[in-house]
Amino acid sequence: RKEVEQDPGPFNVPEGATVAFNCTYSNSASQSFFWYRQDCRKEPKLLMSVYSSGNEDGRFTAQLNRASQYISLLIRDSKLSDSATYLCAVKPDSWGKFQFGAGTQVVVTP
Amino acid sequence: GAVVSQHPSRVICKSGTSVKIECRSLDFQATTMFWYRQFPKQSLMLMATSNEGSKATYEQGVEKDKFLINHASLTLSTLTVTSAHPEDSSFYICSARDATSGTNTGELFFGEGSRLTVL
Repeated sequence: RKEVEQDPGPFNVPEGATVAFNCTYSNSASQSFFWYRQDCRKEPKLLMSVYSSGNEDGRFTAQLNRASQYISLLIRDSKLSDSATYLCAVKPDSWGKFQFGAGTQVVVTP
Repeated sequence: GAVVSQHPSRVICKSGTSVKIECRSLDFQATTMFWYRQFPKQSLMLMATSNEGSKATYEQGVEKDKFLINHASLTLSTLTVTSAHPEDSSFYICSARDATSGTNTGELFFGEGSRLTVL
């Protein structure tokens, strides 16, 4: 079993709609969680950190469910520019090694 | 936010040659940098952890004699792919954490990546 797993998608989303997807992790001791966005043939860029209480940044909402060991990302009012691959990243502690998921592809269509 | 620069962004070389990739932290000091490799539609795979002033730590299955890492200063790490072969063709990405910032939240900042094609 992979340490961090994501549904590869693609999630085809009409412009303006809402899309949500999860990332599961196997290490229950993980403490830090992040969502990165990666555009085709580009480096990953931090989208948002995921806090225990959940957090929101504009149209993006991230949640952490420790009991079920997954994090989620919800995108509201999808824009064409949201089309990308979203990678989740998990760390066992503040300075441990990152474990990345393979990414979830989101395609927003007009 | 912190900036990490990687060079070259794209390189094409003949089989058997060596290729050096540079990773620089532009506005912060990075005692530790990380080198990843990513194949199409796959996850980022950590190759090695580059430590300033000491030997790199390689992940299992990564040949240290093939992927030479040097971290000679607090702002520069290099990865040299020696005797490259077509199967080494991949997207190589470096990253670093800003250990000096008081607002550090532990996230990684990535270089722009280097796409290596070995003919």
